[in-house]
Amino acid sequence: QQQVKQSPQSLIVQKGGISIINCAYENTAFDYFPWYQQFPGKGPALLIAIRPDVSEKKEGRFTISFNKSAKQFSLHIMDSQPGDSATYFCAANTEYGNKLVFGAGTILRVKS
Amino acid sequence: EPEVTQTPSHQVTQMGQEVILRCVPISNHLYFYWYRQILGQKVEFLVSFYNNEISEKSEIFDDQFSVERPDGSNFTLKIRSTKLEDSAMYFCASSLSAAVKPQHFGDGTRLSIL
Repeated sequence: QQQVKQSPQSLIVQKGGISIINCAYENTAFDYFPWYQQFPGKGPALLIAIRPDVSEKKEGRFTISFNKSAKQFSLHIMDSQPGDSATYFCAANTEYGNKLVFGAGTILRVKS
Repeated sequence: EPEVTQTPSHQVTQMGQEVILRCVPISNHLYFYWYRQILGQKVEFLVSFYNNEISEKSEIFDDQFSVERPDGSNFTLKIRSTKLEDSAMYFCASSLSAAVKPQHFGDGTRLSIL
């Protein structure tokens, strides 16, 4: 029940296209859902996060869509660029919880 | 922008030896964390630390592991007797509070056990 399932494992998108990564969870106590971007040799960097009181959050080219009833959330990267090529992790946490539960990660490659 | 710094970036240790990984969290943050990422796998929570004590730990964080905040700026992870399976990237993170969520990660220490 503590798991966060992420798909796809890898994704290739043409420059200018939309990248979509999906995550699903079971624990209804989760109430904070961040996405992290990780480049090789670097730590995860917070990209964008959402709480379940909203269905969508947008920051620049990055949008989180959240479906509370389906217990799913997704990251959309609009106008994908080669510089977006990285590993993306979804994660979840409870309101006063200490630990982030991470998905397995998606390796995104944007072809120029 | 403030950041979490970790040293060393790469640590090579013989199996059975003790190793200490060091972290300097963001200065006004109160919660500190260690995570582990085995090559090609997901990031896994190890332990959280607040007010000079462990607030939560995972099953991975057994008696071989300990954490300490020896002074006002450093946060350390000690592995007492390293095993081959301890080889991984170890990430330190910090957050302002448990309620103010964003956890900010350092760039990690690659631990290689020979």
